[in-house]
Amino acid sequence: GEDVEQSLFLSVREGDSSVINCTYTDSSSTYLYWYKQEPGAGLQLLTYIFSNMDMKQDQRLTVLLNKKDKHLSLRIADTQTGDSAIYFCAEKGVGRRALTFGSGTRLQVQP
Amino acid sequence: GAVVSQHPSWVICKSGTSVKIECRSLDFQATTMFWYRQFPKQSLMLMATSNEGSKATYEQGVEKDKFLINHASLTLSTLTVTSAHPEDSSFYICSARWTGKVHEQYFGPGTRLTVT
Repeated sequence: GEDVEQSLFLSVREGDSSVINCTYTDSSSTYLYWYKQEPGAGLQLLTYIFSNMDMKQDQRLTVLLNKKDKHLSLRIADTQTGDSAIYFCAEKGVGRRALTFGSGTRLQVQP
Repeated sequence: GAVVSQHPSWVICKSGTSVKIECRSLDFQATTMFWYRQFPKQSLMLMATSNEGSKATYEQGVEKDKFLINHASLTLSTLTVTSAHPEDSSFYICSARWTGKVHEQYFGPGTRLTVT
């Protein structure tokens, strides 16, 4: 079946850039997503990228997609303490309506 | 736009009772909604896909008689946990797929269920 993997934890200092990585196995993935979850809350859609794109930038967020290696990354520029949360990578394959999620990466921002 | 609400946000119930959780898309229509379950410090596990006007599609291993799903309108889906047991305690999150943008999925804030 489809599998999405992420590293569990990342710690950065305020003002630095954060890079969260994700790998997936489904070669038919059409859309790939990044969601943010703060403690006790639901998931907030941050951004998504269509599989025929290599990069997408949205303010402080940059998504890079290497389709050949099935590798997705999320770069957060000028990371702030408010960015501390769990970040989930998810993918949607052809013919599937639901998303497959990674295990989430906990981002800790040190002041 | 694209706001999804859930009610209640948290609930405590006794073993053997049933609990209903509502998921609403507030400003868009959603022919498809999804119910996920999330255990502490873990990822989301898809339980079922809720289709407006038809039966839900359950994932393997999810008991459809225990987790009743009703998608009565284009803006409302409900999940009823019947005869709840302590092992059903979890964070339940719904999401709604915008009919106009099927590749976008928006999540509710979640419902924390504790069964005593």
